[in-house]
Amino acid sequence: SQTIHQWPATLVQPVGSPLSLECTVEGTSNPNLYWYRQAAGRGLQLLFYSVGIGQISSEVPQNLSASRPQDRQFILSSKKLLLSDSGFYLCAWTQDRVGQPQHFGDGTRLSIL
Amino acid sequence: GQQLNQSPQSMFIQEGEDVSMNCTSSSIFNTWLWYKQDPGEGPVLLIALYKAGELTSNGRLTAQFGTTRKDSFLNISASIPSDVGIYFCAGQRPVGFGNEKLTFGTGTRLTIIP
Repeated sequence: SQTIHQWPATLVQPVGSPLSLECTVEGTSNPNLYWYRQAAGRGLQLLFYSVGIGQISSEVPQNLSASRPQDRQFILSSKKLLLSDSGFYLCAWTQDRVGQPQHFGDGTRLSIL
Repeated sequence: GQQLNQSPQSMFIQEGEDVSMNCTSSSIFNTWLWYKQDPGEGPVLLIALYKAGELTSNGRLTAQFGTTRKDSFLNISASIPSDVGIYFCAGQRPVGFGNEKLTFGTGTRLTIIP
């Protein structure tokens, strides 16, 4: 069966520091991968998606970037964090077929001080 | 970004009651999904709907894909304490290159009153 892992689960970083959040998927190949941000008690905002290695699409302009160095690895990064980057970050995957639902990881709670 | 209109925003019910929530959109979707999210965790898929008019059950949960493809509802029968959480609807449509995009509802927070 397929599983998705995100780490770390929680992270506290000072303003201006770099960021690297990692997401990996097991048990499937060539998945579509997604990064979302969720504000407290609100819905999910799509940040980036990837349909293959090295292929990244950005949904909203922001202080973050994404990379996909391997088929089942998706990384969310920032060179200098802002206070507004605080939030709950979720990674998701789907099979590379039409109509497949997205499945989410357990998320990373990022707090910027 | 765009969000679907989901109602109600919150519900306070007693254990054993039935629950109903719905989602509407001005756009057509190919797939409707319902997720449940517990505090501090990622959303978990409850039900996926693929055809207009489709009615699908998963235990005490029943969901329907509206015939206009612009709405969906979720019913929970005989609620139990573990049903507490936030429920999100999501509409999915292809955006090219083998990718599909989710648009999420605003969420329904379910609380069970002792």
